[in-house]
Amino acid sequence: TQLLEQSPQFLSIQEGENLTVYCNSSSVFSSLQWYRQEPGEGPVLLVTVVTGGEVKKLKRLTFQFGDARKDSSLHITAAQPGDTGLYLCAGEGASNYQLIWGAGTKLIIKP
Amino acid sequence: DVKVTQSSRYLVKRTGEKVFLECVQDMDHENMFWYRQDPGLGLRLIYFSYDVKMKEKGDIPEGYSVSREKKERFSLILESASTNQTSMYLCASSRATSYEQYFGPGTRLTVT
Repeated sequence: TQLLEQSPQFLSIQEGENLTVYCNSSSVFSSLQWYRQEPGEGPVLLVTVVTGGEVKKLKRLTFQFGDARKDSSLHITAAQPGDTGLYLCAGEGASNYQLIWGAGTKLIIKP
Repeated sequence: DVKVTQSSRYLVKRTGEKVFLECVQDMDHENMFWYRQDPGLGLRLIYFSYDVKMKEKGDIPEGYSVSREKKERFSLILESASTNQTSMYLCASSRATSYEQYFGPGTRLTVT
């Protein structure tokens, strides 16, 4: 069974700090996605990483896919209150374009 | 922009009632999904549809059914609502050969 574990489950930091959240598995994934969910809304796709070792940047957010394609990380530089939300990683499931979801990291950025 | 809409943002129902949750997408996506989201448990797939009138059970289909009579619309039905079905319900859609999903805003259902 493919599982994705996210850590930490919860992170509360001050505005301006840097942070990294992780998404790990013992299984190999063809690709991994990161979503952000703001309170009271549905998740929104941020990025898809496909190639082992790949690094993608989205403004202050940096996403990395592990060389072995079993893990991924999200690094935020100079966090802002607008970064507050639940960050979810998801990997390709075994069938029919379904996703395997991590439980998420709840991030709070305090002004 | 892909738009996925859900019929209600908040819903309060009584135990035993039949509940309908509607989802509509406007991007001609083949795949549609219903999830429930509970704190600490992430997103759990209830049902998936890859075409009109086609459906597959997800991880937690018990107590739920679905209907997809038109490509753009996917309905989730709680035949007899119970308090343990109190949750956030999220609908999503994707193209036939894509894993990238687009979500609606969710329906927060409370069953009392």
